[in-house]
Amino acid sequence: NAGVTQTPKFQVLKTGQSMTLQCAQDMNHNSMYWYRQDPGMGLRLIYYSASEGTTDKGEVPNGYNVSRLNKREFSLRLESAAPSQTSVYFCASINMGQTNEKLFFGSGTQLSVL
Amino acid sequence: RKEVEQDPGPFNVPEGATVAFNCTYSNSASQSFFWYRQDCRKEPKLLMSVYSSGNEDGRFTAQLNRASQYISLLIRDSKLSDSATYLCVVNRPGGSYIPTFGRGTSLIVHP
Repeated sequence: NAGVTQTPKFQVLKTGQSMTLQCAQDMNHNSMYWYRQDPGMGLRLIYYSASEGTTDKGEVPNGYNVSRLNKREFSLRLESAAPSQTSVYFCASINMGQTNEKLFFGSGTQLSVL
Repeated sequence: RKEVEQDPGPFNVPEGATVAFNCTYSNSASQSFFWYRQDCRKEPKLLMSVYSSGNEDGRFTAQLNRASQYISLLIRDSKLSDSATYLCVVNRPGGSYIPTFGRGTSLIVHP
């Protein structure tokens, strides 16, 4: 049981390049999330998907797009990377309806935009 | 005012000490509260949920004060391995489940 798998672990981009961060969970969870974490800022929500086929903006959506490809996969795309997007990105999932709500996280992607 | 606020610390304590962290939240309608632990920018992991009646798990005690809109985490008999960042998480009320994180409190336990 892999849980939440997030790729890549590290990425360096030049300003203006594009890339997609991949996230997949094998726990049949309904809701999935993308967060970014900057030093001293905690985790800030970029986008979330409450269920397959739906996506919504979080606190810091500008410069990002997402796709909930199916129940398992939720990808994050940077169309034109900027240095301000240098951060650590975490994907997470949760199964709504459980009485003990617990977020499961991927291991993170460290992204540097030069 | 941020939705979830924490003192970033660091809290620097000797082994065996008792240490407490508070976290305040702005939305009085919030329903779910949690403490997560994060080591060295690895992924956060659930430490414990916070229930209205308070709850204890070994050396860790979590409490909720709805009137003052804060939750607390008490760690007794601190171990070196407790050194980490402790993240307060509050579920934003509404139709969807939206976990909102505080910026975290850094704990350093020294010999």
